Amino acid sequence: GDSVTQMEGPVTLSEEACLTINCTYTATGYPSLFWYVQYPGEGLQLLLKATKADDKGSNKGFEATYRKETTSFHLEKGSVQVSDSAVYFCALRTSYGKLTFGQGTILTVHP
Amino acid sequence: SAVISQKPSRDICQRGTSLTIQCQVDSQVTMMFWYRQQPGQSLTLIATANQGSEATYESGFVIDKFPISRPNLTFSTLTVSNMSPEDSSIYLCSVRGTGGETQYFGPGTRLLVL
Repeated sequence: GDSVTQMEGPVTLSEEACLTINCTYTATGYPSLFWYVQYPGEGLQLLLKATKADDKGSNKGFEATYRKETTSFHLEKGSVQVSDSAVYFCALRTSYGKLTFGQGTILTVHP
Repeated sequence: SAVISQKPSRDICQRGTSLTIQCQVDSQVTMMFWYRQQPGQSLTLIATANQGSEATYESGFVIDKFPISRPNLTFSTLTVSNMSPEDSSIYLCSVRGTGGETQYFGPGTRLLVL
């Protein structure tokens, strides 16, 4: 079945540090890939998405590239801020329509 | 984008009781879903709420425990029945429009069962 594996957290960084959260997937067919973010005490928000191979999703300084050859969709940001502290979820959806989530990665950014 | 509201936002319930969670969307949507997020864990799909027919449940979830209604294209309810402490979770409503790639989530209902 479909599955998503994220790097284990928590991840703790200093402000302005570089961020990479690894995400790999297993799916039948050609899934769409997503990153969702959950800020403390809030619901999930879509951060970025990519619908086909080599697409790059970007938003709020975050980027992720759909790599079909490595079945990956790593989340990157060049300079994190304290306000980026949140839980980040990688997810995929195949043509069957079901959204499958990774286990989530807690990011804490210190001033 | 769709704006989703859920009621209640949080509740503390006694073992053996039931709680109904409401989900209201500000526009008509094709697909509505209910998810559970147990403490420190990822999201698990409970069921797809189908308008005018019985919900479609994922493996491990049954209608007797999680009855769902969807009377129209903007509203759905999830009931957590005969609750136990293991049902303590965040329950999230989610929607997706016709042909839409993006799936939106409500703010969640935080449930604590004592």
